[in-house]
Amino acid sequence: DQQVKQNSPSLSVQEGRISILNCDYTNSMFDYFLWYKKYPAEGPTFLISISSIKDKNEDGRFTVFLNKSAKHLSLHIVPSQPGDSAVYFCAASRRGGNEKLTFGTGTRLTIIP
Amino acid sequence: ETGVTQSPTHLIKTRGQQVTLRCSSQSGHNTVSWYQQALGQGPQFIFQYYREEENGRGNFPPRFSGLQFPNYSSELNVNALELDDSALYLCASSLTGRGANVLTFGAGSRLTVL
Repeated sequence: DQQVKQNSPSLSVQEGRISILNCDYTNSMFDYFLWYKKYPAEGPTFLISISSIKDKNEDGRFTVFLNKSAKHLSLHIVPSQPGDSAVYFCAASRRGGNEKLTFGTGTRLTIIP
Repeated sequence: ETGVTQSPTHLIKTRGQQVTLRCSSQSGHNTVSWYQQALGQGPQFIFQYYREEENGRGNFPPRFSGLQFPNYSSELNVNALELDDSALYLCASSLTGRGANVLTFGAGSRLTVL
């Protein structure tokens, strides 16, 4: 039972353009969402998060949008840079849920110079 | 501050053997979680340790067990290895009580079971 889904295994974007990565979830108990970025041979690195009481959170070039009614979130990267090429994982958790994260399968983002 | 370190980075075992993976938490963190990442999948929660006790477990059989030590480092033990145990095992540390579910991950131990 895949509770967090990332339906696009890969995405290619031109440098300088916007990258949009999507994530859907099915468990309505999730109330905290995170994006992690993973380079080869490294562990996932925290990028940005959003609580279910918000619908948008911004940090520099990265913005996460949350649509609770659709159980959908997206990560926008503007402008995209070559260093953004990595695998991006969407993750969800319940506050007070001992910090257990449920991850999606990831989207490999490639930024084309 | 030092990050999360894991050892060994790679290892090969045969079916039925046992393996121990080790993890040192990031300085100042008191909670350790273990995740299994199979090829082409996202990380899956195995269990978490806080104050040297298991504090939550995912859908993994009892042959997956762990320990947390007073210095907050941790071990993951897997007995009676099966081919499907081949995966990247990620350790993550955090500071319980900070509220945010932000985990700091190590680079992982890649286990191959033949």
